[in-house]
Amino acid sequence: QLQLQESGPGLVKPSETLSLTCTVSGGSISRSNYYWGWIRQPPGKGLEWIGSIYYSGSTYYNPSLKSRVTISVDTSQNQFSLKLSSVTAADTAVYYCARHGQWGLGGFDYWGQGKPVTVSS
Amino acid sequence: QSVLTQPPSVSGAPGQRVTISCTGSSSNIGAGYDVHWYQQLPGTAPKLLIYGNNNRPSGVPDRFSGSKSGTSASLAITGLQAEDEADYYCQSYDSSLSGYVFGTGTRVTVL
Repeated sequence: QLQLQESGPGLVKPSETLSLTCTVSGGSISRSNYYWGWIRQPPGKGLEWIGSIYYSGSTYYNPSLKSRVTISVDTSQNQFSLKLSSVTAADTAVYYCARHGQWGLGGFDYWGQGKPVTVSS
Repeated sequence: QSVLTQPPSVSGAPGQRVTISCTGSSSNIGAGYDVHWYQQLPGTAPKLLIYGNNNRPSGVPDRFSGSKSGTSASLAITGLQAEDEADYYCQSYDSSLSGYVFGTGTRVTVL
């Protein structure tokens, strides 16, 4: 059974960079036709797609966050990572990593449990 | 930045049927992109409920069904049960954004 687990600091200071890693177990991150994404959910609000990556390194970002987001993959560790720079209180959210199918088609079928991140000094 | 609109809440008595609408536009649902639905129980991660407009992953009861027409999609829950009380989100792809979009979310309350 595929499992995803987010890890990283739960508290980040304003203007600094938020860094999270998602470790995939029970399957290979290099499996063809599957993409790996980040989604966030501010407290009491809805879901927002942040971006996705293919094992080859191809990345796709939400235009509203693109200038601040970097997603990378480490196939040797079966992990992918998120960096969000210049954070503000508006970036406080639960951050989820998830897998989705073919670009533009598949839904997010496996999710991590979520990592709450607070931006505060 | 939600471009898919859902009603904030729907409610029904146990055993009843409820539907949740998801209204998009010509750059997402109307362009033919698939719609997927998620159920989020309190304090947990979203769970894929319906994929590819009307398909249920293994383990999802057949009380849940999806449909799509034009620029909208719908999720129906028949035989409503107390355990169905949760938030539900639709999701699709948007060609103008070149990325994925989620609906605004709907809270289902079992009376």
